Amino acid sequence: DAGVTQSPTHLIKTRGQQVTLRCSPKSGHDTVSWYQQALGQGPQFIFQYYEEEERQRGNFPDRFSGHQFPNYSSELNVNALLLGDSALYLCASSFGTTLAKNIQYFGAGTRLSVL
Amino acid sequence: AQKITQTQPGMFVQEKEAVTLDCTYDTSDQSYGLFWYKQPSSGEMIFLIYQGSYDEQNATEGRYSLNFQKARKSANLVISASQLGDSAMYFCAMRPINDYKLSFGAGTTVTVRA
Repeated sequence: DAGVTQSPTHLIKTRGQQVTLRCSPKSGHDTVSWYQQALGQGPQFIFQYYEEEERQRGNFPDRFSGHQFPNYSSELNVNALLLGDSALYLCASSFGTTLAKNIQYFGAGTRLSVL
Repeated sequence: AQKITQTQPGMFVQEKEAVTLDCTYDTSDQSYGLFWYKQPSSGEMIFLIYQGSYDEQNATEGRYSLNFQKARKSANLVISASQLGDSAMYFCAMRPINDYKLSFGAGTTVTVRA
């Protein structure tokens, strides 16, 4: 049973460029959440996708957008990259329920460096 | 908004000993879940243990146990019989029942010494 998979593992971009990160959820999960983790900090919620729609968004600018496909996989797009976007981007998958015991399982992340 | 506080930036523990990682949280929600994750240097966030706000008993998962004190809004993680492989960053997180996002603390680095 494959867990959450993310690609690529590392990425180097320059300021102003655009980037696309990809995530495949754990088997059986229908919900994907994206988090940004700056060095030495805890992850910050970017948004969550369920049924191909963004259903909750954190405090991130519109430069951050996403998509969920019918097979539940997801993409995170970041436009007009800034130096401050350098971080580890984590994808988490879960079931769509709001039950308290709805565990989000994470992938290994994509480490983005913006030069 | 939820706030998670982990006051210990780093801890050292001797192999085979127990270690307690502190976590306090601030929320106005009555129903919520508390989670602990482990993040090795590889980066993957590994789920360890869950505690529901209405659970009467403290959660346990193998060598991990959660000391939940609802009135004090604390959810401390206890790792018993520490192993070298336990060296990692540990994060406390919380999610209210009607919210979809996890709110994380700043983390505690644990280093296990042989």
